[in-house]
Amino acid sequence: GNSVTQMEGPVTLSEEAFLTINCTYTATGYPSLFWYVQYPGEGLQLLLKATKADDKGSNKGFEATYRKETTSFHLEKGSVQVSDSAVYFCALSDLSGDYKLSFGAGTTVTVRA
Amino acid sequence: DAMVIQNPRYQVTQFGKPVTLSCSQTLNHNVMYWYQQKSSQAPKLLFHYYDKDFNNEADTPDNFQSRRPNTSFCFLDIRSPGLGDAAMYLCATSMEGATFNEQFFGPGTRLTVL
Repeated sequence: GNSVTQMEGPVTLSEEAFLTINCTYTATGYPSLFWYVQYPGEGLQLLLKATKADDKGSNKGFEATYRKETTSFHLEKGSVQVSDSAVYFCALSDLSGDYKLSFGAGTTVTVRA
Repeated sequence: DAMVIQNPRYQVTQFGKPVTLSCSQTLNHNVMYWYQQKSSQAPKLLFHYYDKDFNNEADTPDNFQSRRPNTSFCFLDIRSPGLGDAAMYLCATSMEGATFNEQFFGPGTRLTVL
């Protein structure tokens, strides 16, 4: 079956620090990979996505590269801001399966001024 | 802007009193999902609709029901809420066959059970 393993948090950083959240996956088919972000009290927002090997998704200074050889999709940002404080979820959708999303457990990130 | 709307944003109900949460979408997506989320955990899928076809997750309690009267609207009914049903309920949509099959989420309804 499909599964996503995500770096455990919480993660606390200072402003302008470098952020990495590790994500690895197991899938039986050919998954699309996603990072969703959830700000306090809000729903999930799609942060970035990639659909095939070596694709790089990017948005708002965040990047993640679909690595098929290591089955990974690590999220990175070079210089975080207080406004990046949120919960980040790695997820996959197996297009050869039932189109459901498999989520990682989520990583809580707190950025301090 | 096309979007997923959930009403109300906050709902308070009493133990055992039926409650209905609503979701509407202007994206014209054919798939709609209901998730339950507790305390920043990963969302847990309760059920979803492919068009009018209802798909229940095996571990979704019978206490949870859903209706989809048309493409745009979907409702979550909790017949007899217990204290353990207090959570954030998220509605999402997707378009079957889309390249990425990404899901678009609403802002959620925070349910409190007294």
